[in-house]
Amino acid sequence: GIQVEQSPPDLILQEGANSTLRCNFSDSVNNLQWFHQNPWGQLINLFYIPSGTKQNGRLSATTVATERYSLLYISSSQTTDSGVYFCAVRYGQNFVFGPGTRLSVLP
Amino acid sequence: KAGVTQTPRYLIKTRGQQVTLSCSPISGHRSVSWYQQTPGQGLQFLFEYFSETQRNKGNFPGRFSGRQFSNSRSEMNVSTLELGDSALYLCASSLEGDRPQHFGDGTRLSIL
Repeated sequence: GIQVEQSPPDLILQEGANSTLRCNFSDSVNNLQWFHQNPWGQLINLFYIPSGTKQNGRLSATTVATERYSLLYISSSQTTDSGVYFCAVRYGQNFVFGPGTRLSVLP
Repeated sequence: KAGVTQTPRYLIKTRGQQVTLSCSPISGHRSVSWYQQTPGQGLQFLFEYFSETQRNKGNFPGRFSGRQFSNSRSEMNVSTLELGDSALYLCASSLEGDRPQHFGDGTRLSIL
């Protein structure tokens, strides 16, 4: 099966700092999504990005499908950005999540 | 447009019992997937339903089953509950399997 890895596993930032989260996958995938799970457990859909670059406010994402990785950029981080960020890929008929990056933004 | 609705939000059961969880997808979405989230195993795919048919199944025992109704609402059933079944169960819907998935708030199941 496919392996989905995320780095770093944990990240602590001061409010206002920028960060880059990475997702590597071991095989070709049909699509890729980034999610944010807030402290209450809600999974929020950030980006659907099988390839290319997308931006939404302070967040942007880039997927280079041929090199099997995706990056999530968070600029000017806020305390409300805290939580766990997951990438998930569609591999065949299955949907596989990475282990997540736990982000803590300190005031 | 209403989001994905899961009921109940919290549930406490004892070992050996069975449980049924419900998921109402976003209107117009025909694909519903279920996931189990635990601290040790992370988010794991359980199964996917599309137009009342199970399309895919993850690596879970037969105690975990599901179904989808003609209105795309889905239920998940777990029989003979074990302590290890304590988890957050998440449901996601999408227009089709390859389209973006949108998640409900989950059902937190605790087994005593």
